[in-house]
Amino acid sequence: AQSVTQLDSQVPVFEEAPVELRCNYSSSVSVYLFWYVQYPNQGLQLLLKYLSGSTLVESINGFEAEFNKSQTSFHLRKPSVHISDTAEYFCAVRGGGSEKLVFGKGTKLTVNP
Amino acid sequence: ETGVTQSPTHLIKTRGQQVTLRCSSQSGHNTVSWYQQALGQGPQFIFQYYREEENGRGNFPPRFSGLQFPNYSSELNVNALELDDSALYLCASSLSGTSATEAFFGQGTRLTVV
Repeated sequence: AQSVTQLDSQVPVFEEAPVELRCNYSSSVSVYLFWYVQYPNQGLQLLLKYLSGSTLVESINGFEAEFNKSQTSFHLRKPSVHISDTAEYFCAVRGGGSEKLVFGKGTKLTVNP
Repeated sequence: ETGVTQSPTHLIKTRGQQVTLRCSSQSGHNTVSWYQQALGQGPQFIFQYYREEENGRGNFPPRFSGLQFPNYSSELNVNALELDDSALYLCASSLSGTSATEAFFGQGTRLTVV
């Protein structure tokens, strides 16, 4: 079975500051890792994913995440955030052979002017 | 290419009633999954359907049931509604059989049980 821990429930930052949202996972099998973003009153949008290959993955809007197998982590980073990045971010894991996603409890990112 | 659509967007039901939520998969996808997201929580896996059969289930009681139709659309049925069933219900579609499949989510149905 897999599990996901998002270490921070809320992260307030100022605009243009860097941010890191932490995610650790537990699994006995190889996994795929995902970050989803949820804006208020909306569904989930895929932000980025790690399936295989390079451990550093990037999104089109400046976010990046690095898969660290030894630390079982998949932290999300952005060097300079915008007001529009205010949302809830969910880390998710999927174990090999299954399409079931296991989500963390989410981190609410608030970007202040 | 159409995305995942869910209906209705909002719903209010009374405890003990039954409810049906609907989901249209993204074009070309053959697998649909349902998740329950309680307020302030991450989504929890309810079950998954592939080729019209349930092929995975989370820790939810039998009063949560589903269907997948030949066109890959899906329904989630919940009987004997309880107050704790109040949540955002999310449908996700994907394409099974490929190694790099990812799930695409709909906007969700907000169910309130009073």
